[in-house]
Amino acid sequence: DAMVIQNPRYQVTQFGKPVTLSCSQTLNHNVMYWYQQKSSQAPKLLFHYYDKDFNNEADTPDNFQSRRPNTSFCFLDIRSPGLGDAAMYLCATSSRGVTEAFFGQGTRLTVV
Amino acid sequence: QKEVEQDPGPLSVPEGAIVSLNCTYSNSAFQYFMWYRQYSRKGPELLMYTYSSGNKEDGRFTAQVDKSSKYISLFIRDSQPSDSATYLCAMGYMDSNYQLIWGAGTKLIIKP
Repeated sequence: DAMVIQNPRYQVTQFGKPVTLSCSQTLNHNVMYWYQQKSSQAPKLLFHYYDKDFNNEADTPDNFQSRRPNTSFCFLDIRSPGLGDAAMYLCATSSRGVTEAFFGQGTRLTVV
Repeated sequence: QKEVEQDPGPLSVPEGAIVSLNCTYSNSAFQYFMWYRQYSRKGPELLMYTYSSGNKEDGRFTAQVDKSSKYISLFIRDSQPSDSATYLCAMGYMDSNYQLIWGAGTKLIIKP
């Protein structure tokens, strides 16, 4: 019954090696978000899509990119992961005009 | 000063106690307020969502908003060990381009 599904749950990547995290949703929500959450910190918004319109937060590093090929799927690409990019990455969705966000279980990224 | 302040805890209480979790905020434009629960290594789960000042109850949970004091609370009655988690407040306003402003979360421990 999972509505926002993130894969993989755990990802280990090498320093500098590109990595892609994926998110899919069965809610048919217009808005999809990617957040980065480090230990004991609030989620930090990286970017969001309103339908196909991409919105990048001003302080999101250029190293982070995103793609949304259709309503159901969204990807987070980290082009050259550094040790500081190790974190939990959370995908969330919400519906137009509705403000509460529904989260996936997250992908915990380890950079070695 | 952060827009949303939340005591990180940990807050440790015995099973059965009433728990009070709080956030203060500085932006009087915030219109809606949410509480999320996050278990270790999982994504946040929406617990309560309210627009207005006053109380909203859902089972053992009561969310309280005091816009005049810029203060929100989450009360948990008859607390259970399964309530042990981090509780994050989040808030926003309609023109915020879907961005939520998050508290850092309070870690709650319910001792059997």
